[in-house]
Amino acid sequence: QVQLQESGPGLVKPSGTLSLTCAVSGGSISSSNWWSWVRQPPGKGLEWIGEIYHSGSTNYNPSLKSRVTISVDKSKNQFSLKLSSVTAADTAVYYCARKIAVAGTVGYFDYWGQGTLVTVSS
Amino acid sequence: AIRMTQSPSSFSASTGDRVTITCRASQGISSYLAWYQQKPGKAPKLLIYAASTLQSGVPSRFSGSGSGTDFTLTISCLQSEDFATYYCQQYYSYPPYTFGQGTKLEIK
Repeated sequence: QVQLQESGPGLVKPSGTLSLTCAVSGGSISSSNWWSWVRQPPGKGLEWIGEIYHSGSTNYNPSLKSRVTISVDKSKNQFSLKLSSVTAADTAVYYCARKIAVAGTVGYFDYWGQGTLVTVSS
Repeated sequence: AIRMTQSPSSFSASTGDRVTITCRASQGISSYLAWYQQKPGKAPKLLIYAASTLQSGVPSRFSGSGSGTDFTLTISCLQSEDFATYYCQQYYSYPPYTFGQGTKLEIK
């Protein structure tokens, strides 16, 4: 059973950088899956942020691309998210998730972390 | 980006009811659609993928149908544990993957 666990600061100052890590257990990050970040502002819907493959290939949401970096650490079986120049609009629960790829690289999300709330405030 | 629109945004129902939630894509997405259930304070849970394929362990009272632009999620006999918010997600084209705005199912 694959498990994902997010970790990182729960409070980030405006204009700062949000940094989160997702630890993967029960499976290898080097498997044939992509690893994603999804966020959910309080009381709102889900927004896909981006994803990474164990090779280091990434895809990002164009709306966030200029501020997002996703990286992978195969030795620690984890991947990370950095979001720069944050504002209050980036306050959200951040989830990491595993994507099952079908028909190439597109896919859906079968395993999710429990989520971590990140608040942007001074 | 492909826009996903769910209807209704919320509604009330009773245990034992049969309910249907609709998801419409702004362009054709074949059958590249997934449905998720989310309970308060919890992560989304995958229910259905490929528009109609039930994820392992999901009760058979859940079913999905549709292709192209119009999709439905049906719960045949509502149980108390089914009251939650449901999201559709397209994976036909990305980036970005996009979700519907959610349908909140409440107890009448």
